[in-house]
Amino acid sequence: EDQVTQSPEALRLQEGESSSLNCSYTVSGLRGLFWYRQDPGKGPEFLFTLYSAGEEKEKERLKATLTKKESFLHITAPKPEDSATYLCAIPQLKLSFGAGTTVTVRA
Amino acid sequence: DAMVIQNPRYQVTQFGKPVTLSCSQTLNHNVMYWYQQKSSQAPKLLFHYYDKDFNNEADTPDNFQSRRPNTSFCFLDIRSPGLGDTAMYLCATSRGEGDSPTDTQYFGPGTRLTVL
Repeated sequence: EDQVTQSPEALRLQEGESSSLNCSYTVSGLRGLFWYRQDPGKGPEFLFTLYSAGEEKEKERLKATLTKKESFLHITAPKPEDSATYLCAIPQLKLSFGAGTTVTVRA
Repeated sequence: DAMVIQNPRYQVTQFGKPVTLSCSQTLNHNVMYWYQQKSSQAPKLLFHYYDKDFNNEADTPDNFQSRRPNTSFCFLDIRSPGLGDTAMYLCATSRGEGDSPTDTQYFGPGTRLTVL
C-alpha cells in the first residue's frame, strides 16, 4: 500500500535558524509530489509540485527538492510568519496526504 | 480573485440533527472534492465530483452524502451527525484536465463542524 510519512511531527525553530522537513514515500511509479502549507483553522494552501528526481522549486524562504524516495522542504532563515503545518501529498488513485510537520518559529 | 468559498466557517449541531455544508468556486474547475480533517490528522478524502460524475470513497460512511447542482456549487450533507463527525471539512477543486489525481487541488478555508 502506498504510504507518505512526514518527519519530524513538530519542529521548533528560532528566527533565522534554517532547517529541513522530510517527506518519504513508498509508491510504485510516482506521478508527482505536492507540498501544501496549512495555517491553524484554515485550508491547505498550495506551495509546490515536483515531478521527477532532481527537481527543485523555490518560493521565498522555502525550497523543495525530490529524490526517488523522499522530498525535503528546506526553510532558510525562517521568520515567525513561516509558522504553519506543512503537508506533503502524492497523487495516486487519489491525493494521499502525510500527517504533516508543524513548524513553530520563535522571534 | 478566483477562489473556493465555504459556508459557514463554523457550524455547531446537535447529535443526530442533519447539517449541510456549502462550497462554491469561481475557478470554473471540473472537479470538486470533499475532505474530512480531524485534529492533527491528514485530510481524508470523502468523495469527489468529476463534472456531474460522483465518486465515493469506499470507506466513506453512508451518513455522508453530496450534491453538485451546477459547476460552481457543491454541498456536503451529513444526515445524522455523530460525535465522531466533529472535524474540519475541506472543499477543494481542480481543473480536471487530463489525469485527475495529478491535478493541483485548491482548497477552501474549511468549515469547522462541532457535534454536541
